[in-house]
Amino acid sequence: GAVVSQHPSRVICKSGTSVKIECRSLDFQATTMFWYRQFPKQSLMLMATSNEGSKATYEQGVEKDKFLINHASLTLSTLTVTSAHPEDSSFYICSAPRSRGADTQYFGPGTRLTVL
Amino acid sequence: KQEVTQIPAALSVPEGENLVLNCSFTDSAIYNLQWFRQDPGKGLTSLLLIQSSQREQTSGRLNASLDKSSGRSTLYIAASQPGDSATYLCAVSGNQFYFGTGTSLTVIP
Repeated sequence: GAVVSQHPSRVICKSGTSVKIECRSLDFQATTMFWYRQFPKQSLMLMATSNEGSKATYEQGVEKDKFLINHASLTLSTLTVTSAHPEDSSFYICSAPRSRGADTQYFGPGTRLTVL
Repeated sequence: KQEVTQIPAALSVPEGENLVLNCSFTDSAIYNLQWFRQDPGKGLTSLLLIQSSQREQTSGRLNASLDKSSGRSTLYIAASQPGDSATYLCAVSGNQFYFGTGTSLTVIP
């Protein structure tokens, strides 16, 4: 069964609104979670590394003030797309390593965001 | 339900060798297939993306092929280097992502 869940699986929102996406590890604790996005016909790209209890690390070109990441507990990381615009429409996916530094990562099923 | 399998699970080669990693999937109704590199504790690094209408993609020493009808993809790495040591994941994209279990590659200097 799934060990990483995401909610919601799909969301449609109006331009200018904020959308929160949750990523949960279901039967293990994740001090680190990763957030990715994939624009249509493009590769899945790492956006940021979410660290429990500390600030997230963002990849180059990703606006930290637009994509707010909160990793307040060992089983939950949230990604908030603030003031969403149509160009933010994408597939967002999270992953978490089974343990610190582990090779094995578990991936969430993804969230498809459509901004009208 | 889509199932993605990668063979072998682990591979160890001497530096300089050419090698092939395999990925197979059960449902050919995919949008694209991607190959990623994963270093321990790190996020994925995208290597190559093949759209469903394409047969192959190349980037430097890497070449990925896609045979959608047979549900197979290969990642060819030429002249392997110790820095290539990592886990390589393939993923197919349909309505959601389906990841393979990965091939752990070790290139011995």
